[in-house]
Amino acid sequence: KNQVEQSPQSLIILEGKNCTLQCNYTVSPFSNLRWYKQDTGRGPVSLTIMTFSENTKSNGRYTATLDADTKQSSLHITASQLSDSASYICVVSEGGGNEKLTFGTGTRLTIIP
Amino acid sequence: NAGVTQTPKFQVLKTGQSMTLQCAQDMNHNSMYWYRQDPGMGLRLIYYSASEGTTDKGEVPNGYNVSRLNKREFSLRLESAAPSQTSVYFCASSVVGTGYGYTFGSGTRLTVV
Repeated sequence: KNQVEQSPQSLIILEGKNCTLQCNYTVSPFSNLRWYKQDTGRGPVSLTIMTFSENTKSNGRYTATLDADTKQSSLHITASQLSDSASYICVVSEGGGNEKLTFGTGTRLTIIP
Repeated sequence: NAGVTQTPKFQVLKTGQSMTLQCAQDMNHNSMYWYRQDPGMGLRLIYYSASEGTTDKGEVPNGYNVSRLNKREFSLRLESAAPSQTSVYFCASSVVGTGYGYTFGSGTRLTVV
């Protein structure tokens, strides 16, 4: 069964600090991996999307990495801000053209001043 | 751009009542989706419509029906609501065959008592 596992489940850091969120997956065949940010009471918003051939992608202070060999991804947040408090969801898309998505349960990140 | 618009944002139903969740997108996307999000679980696909005129079951379709009214609109109907259907429901749309442009609505929080 295709699975996406994220760690940690929750994380609290001080404003201005960096952090790294982890994602391991067993989805096959693989098409792409996405990171979404979900604010409380809102829908997920895309941060990055990476295909098999991409091993890093940045979006401002967010940098995602992908190791397709070990089926691992990470999301690094630099110089955290209070507005980064949210859930971060790792999503893997199957290949074969059906675009079936498998969602992780998310990491709940809280930034404290 | 409005993106994906869902109505209502909140709803409380009594067991056995019926209701329809509405979703509309203005991005000219071909594919539309309904997901539910429950605590401690990743988003799960209920139904999807790959293109106007087609609908297919997702991972958790029991108790739901859908209608792809036109290219813009995709509704989700609960015929006889049950407490197990208490959840947050998200509509999404995308361009078929690409991970890019996958956009979520802001969600409908449904409570069945």
